[in-house]
Amino acid sequence: DSGVTQTPKHLITATGQRVTLRCSPRSGDLSVYWYQQSLDQGLQFLIQYYNGEERAKGNILERFSAQQFPDLHSELNLSSLELGDSALYFCASSDTQGAGGYTFGSGTRLTVV
Amino acid sequence: QQQVKQSPQSLIVQKGGISIINCAYENTAFDYFPWYQQFPGKGPALLIAIRPDVSEKKEGRFTISFNKSAKQFSLHIMDSQPGDSATYFCAASIAGNTPLVFGKGTRLSVIA
Repeated sequence: DSGVTQTPKHLITATGQRVTLRCSPRSGDLSVYWYQQSLDQGLQFLIQYYNGEERAKGNILERFSAQQFPDLHSELNLSSLELGDSALYFCASSDTQGAGGYTFGSGTRLTVV
Repeated sequence: QQQVKQSPQSLIVQKGGISIINCAYENTAFDYFPWYQQFPGKGPALLIAIRPDVSEKKEGRFTISFNKSAKQFSLHIMDSQPGDSATYFCAASIAGNTPLVFGKGTRLSVIA
């Protein structure tokens, strides 16, 4: 157990739908990062939050959004889902802004049918 | 734009052999270079990391070699074991400033 908790582990949904992925960071970590992992693209950075504020944005689609709540858990919202959104979504946390490396959760496998 | 290029995509090594995975980066401002190991069904886990003030870092059977002038770094796994079979990712960032940028990964298979 890495200390980073992601739910759900698996999600199957239809095209056009909206889903929410949840992440609880490791105790004491203020930064949360979301990554998308697909077979051909590796780990793609989506977005980072630090202590409730958006800190960095990567290749995140406009259909996707995220937030970090006062208790530091984070949610990634994916809407108007397309087949191509099927992937593993990982959350990671760090105790600073990432200088000491990230701790990853076990991921949420999203399948869009 | 791929800022970190990793090779090879896949690697098969005999048990007891040396596994070598290479990465090249473009952004000269990067100053933190970690390697992550990922087993099927799990998230990536930090294996070893290096900063550009040293050319080599060793932790057990794992060694990072760093060449700042060539903008390259590599992971060497000595005495490779079947339990090392996993996907390995190199990454880079400006420490404490930018998120990690990952290579596309290398799937390592160590065969007996």
